Amino acid sequence: DAKTTQPNSMESNEEEPVHLPCNHSTISGTDYIHWYRQLPSQGPEYVIHGLTSNVNNRMASLAIAEDRKSSTLILHRATLRDAAVYYCILRDRSGGSNYKLTFGKGTLLTVNP
Amino acid sequence: NAGVTQTPKFRILKIGQSMTLQCTQDMNHNYMYWYRQDPGMGLKLIYYSVGAGITDKGEVPNGYNVSRSTTEDFPLRLELAAPSQTSVYFCASSGTDPSQPQHFGDGTRLSIL
Repeated sequence: DAKTTQPNSMESNEEEPVHLPCNHSTISGTDYIHWYRQLPSQGPEYVIHGLTSNVNNRMASLAIAEDRKSSTLILHRATLRDAAVYYCILRDRSGGSNYKLTFGKGTLLTVNP
Repeated sequence: NAGVTQTPKFRILKIGQSMTLQCTQDMNHNYMYWYRQDPGMGLKLIYYSVGAGITDKGEVPNGYNVSRSTTEDFPLRLELAAPSQTSVYFCASSGTDPSQPQHFGDGTRLSIL
């Protein structure tokens, strides 16, 4: 499985933008870039995914580097409810057993009031 | 919307006891998964299923068994509980398109004493 590298932790202030980086230098052409987050004492929650182009949804934006070897999850205005562990995961779109998600340790985001 | 429902939420077992963790989903998803999460770590895949009657091993299957007799249900069985199986267990489901997200339950917190 292709690996991702994320900082162990990041800190932000409430109502400020947050940029969460992810390196995936061994990404293959068939890998989607997925982001999930896990709030305390809850199961992971899907945030966003992309393939080549930048993506936006109601929760966040995903900026993908032109060579696809890195990506950045952008929370435009952090709230206290955004404090969570954020996971960057590569998911092979060719299917089969690669439908599984391989979780690393993720980035623990702390949001200060 | 119920989504993915796991029962029980908490359980304490003695070494050598057995139990079944229940998981049911109401989204008509073909794919279902069982993960475990140890403290401070990411999730690890135990077993997964691509449809009723079809299951396969994930990264850490030893000590567990699964069955998939219906689309909705995917129970996980521990036959001889060991302290190393103390963990939080998450069930998830997804559609057949690898771009679609996995939906997670709230987890079962299991302690083996």
